[in-house]
Amino acid sequence: DTEVTQTPKHLVMGMTNKKSLKCEQHMGHRAMYWYKQKAKKPPELMFVYSYEKLSINESVPSRFSPECPNSSLLNLHLHALQPEDSALYLCASSQGSATYNEQFFGPGTRLTVL
Amino acid sequence: QKEVEQNSGPLSVPEGAIASLNCTYSDRVSQSFFWYRQYSGKSPELIMSIYSNGDKEDGRFTAQLNKASQYVSLLIRDSQPSDSATYLCAVIGSSNTGKLIFGQGTTLQVKP
Repeated sequence: DTEVTQTPKHLVMGMTNKKSLKCEQHMGHRAMYWYKQKAKKPPELMFVYSYEKLSINESVPSRFSPECPNSSLLNLHLHALQPEDSALYLCASSQGSATYNEQFFGPGTRLTVL
Repeated sequence: QKEVEQNSGPLSVPEGAIASLNCTYSDRVSQSFFWYRQYSGKSPELIMSIYSNGDKEDGRFTAQLNKASQYVSLLIRDSQPSDSATYLCAVIGSSNTGKLIFGQGTTLQVKP
């Protein structure tokens, strides 16, 4: 199984809502990533988990809260988002977080904040 | 200077031609280079990785790396309309954190 799965595919939420994005991989990878992608822009790294520990936080606002319950799962908890947070949220995984590791992306969650 | 630069295009080629996509990077000690294909509305799909100077071939795709010139390219032979997509060049730099640094992407249009 060489797939990264993400749920939900689409999410519409109000600025006062709390929601969570979920990501799962069964490739035995030990690094997992959250990226944000706006239209016609490349993905921007948000967080990196390596061996279930947060190793990189790219100065992401606290309204985004990542969680890695185990080596196969990655969550992104959302609270009090702004309309400008509307984007495609991508999860990726790789064998490790070092230099030569290929990252594989999931299909993404299209988030709309009203 | 941007860390990873690509011509945004669109690059238009006729069906059956060779498409040549180029990318330059600024971190001289970068060691890992990747090409992703992204169809409109979809997520990036890894199509090539290259770590050493020279060429790496996989089917119709050839990645070329020249570390002295800080240049990486992707050649697509026998281009098909289904190759029409945005191609993202990505580099892992000297930080060794696994952080991918993307270029802005080149839009390729293959015309039947």
